[in-house]
Amino acid sequence: DSGVTQTPKHLITATGQRVTLRCSPRSGDLSVYWYQQSLDQGLQFLIQYYNGEERAKGNILERFSAQQFPDLHSELNLSSLELGDSALYFCASSVFDRGETQYFGPGTRLLVL
Amino acid sequence: GQQVMQIPQYQHVQEGEDFTTYCNSSTTLSNIQWYKQRPGGHPVFLIQLVKSGEVKKQKRLTFQFGEAKKNSSLHITATQTTDVGTYFCAGHARGSTLGRLYFGRGTQLTVWP
Repeated sequence: DSGVTQTPKHLITATGQRVTLRCSPRSGDLSVYWYQQSLDQGLQFLIQYYNGEERAKGNILERFSAQQFPDLHSELNLSSLELGDSALYFCASSVFDRGETQYFGPGTRLLVL
Repeated sequence: GQQVMQIPQYQHVQEGEDFTTYCNSSTTLSNIQWYKQRPGGHPVFLIQLVKSGEVKKQKRLTFQFGEAKKNSSLHITATQTTDVGTYFCAGHARGSTLGRLYFGRGTQLTVWP
């Protein structure tokens, strides 16, 4: 158990819909990272937040957005969902925002039908 | 932009055989980290290398960081069925103040008993 929690574990929805994925980092960790992992694909970095501020952006679509709240939990919002958005979404956390180990949550498996 | 390549993408070995995965970055890295993802699981941190030419061992696993800090390898001696999973390398770009990790696509290891 990494100490990072993600909800829900599974999500099934339809194209065009909007969903919110939630992540709670390890106690004391200030950084949260979001990744997308499609079947047989590597980890695609989406976005990083540090202490409530956006720190780095990767290949995140405009239909996706994220935020980190004052209690440091984070939410990833996916809208106008397409079939290709079906994937495993991981959240990871680290103590600060440079060079440390990232601790991954169990992931949210999203299926868009 | 920063890219991390990892080969091979897949490797099937008989239990007891050795296994190696290689990681190459398009630019110099400040460190290299290795993660393991078991089937159905999430990435779990294995080790971090920071120094040029560094070699670290964990039981049957040997990790190397190249002299130029642009490549790395993971070697497993006498594989066991418990070694099954996908091994990812990931690095932080040298000189970057951001915590973003650049992940390789991973090597999926299958071990036949």
